[in-house]
Amino acid sequence: EDQVTQSPEALRLQEGESSSLNCSYTVSGLRGLFWYRQDPGKGPEFLFTLYSAGEEKEKERLKATLTKKESFLHITAPKPEDSATYLCAVPKPSGYSTLTFGKGTMLLVSP
Amino acid sequence: DARVTQTPRHKVTEMGQEVTMRCQPILGHNTVFWYRQTMMQGLELLAYFRNRAPLDDSGMPKDRFSAEMPDATLATLKIQPSEPRDSAVYFCASGLGQQPYYGYTFGSGTRLTVV
Repeated sequence: EDQVTQSPEALRLQEGESSSLNCSYTVSGLRGLFWYRQDPGKGPEFLFTLYSAGEEKEKERLKATLTKKESFLHITAPKPEDSATYLCAVPKPSGYSTLTFGKGTMLLVSP
Repeated sequence: DARVTQTPRHKVTEMGQEVTMRCQPILGHNTVFWYRQTMMQGLELLAYFRNRAPLDDSGMPKDRFSAEMPDATLATLKIQPSEPRDSAVYFCASGLGQQPYYGYTFGSGTRLTVV
């Protein structure tokens, strides 16, 4: 069964302190890896799709990278507004449409 | 901005009662999902539809849950009878086509508490 594991479960950073979140996956024939951001009381919000090992995507202070076994979400000089839970997901074997989500990393950035 | 609208936002009900959650997907999106989120299990897929046809509902307890799309602007998720273990946040999401590469748009969820 495909699995998606995220670490750490929670991360506390000072404003400006860069770090990385990890998403490891066990799937046969990866067809994409997706990152979402979830704010308290809201639904997940799509950030990135990565298709193949070596690919990178950037958005403001976030950069997502992908290897054959894991993905990293690098946060450079974070600000308090980056505080959220970050979720990664991979398509289920049954089709492209449905996703298996990890349990997320809760990030708190203190001023 | 286009958004997925879910109602109600919060629902508290007694065990054994029927619960109906509604979702208005983004106009033009042909794929609709229902997910459930709990602290223990995270986000779990319950069901999804394409062009209003149910394609996968294997994540739902069949004896008590049902999902329908009466028309392209409305998706419903019903629980009858509800149980305390159904307490969770239920999300609806919508998107285009057969590939999730452009991301799905999630609603803000219905927080269900069954007492």
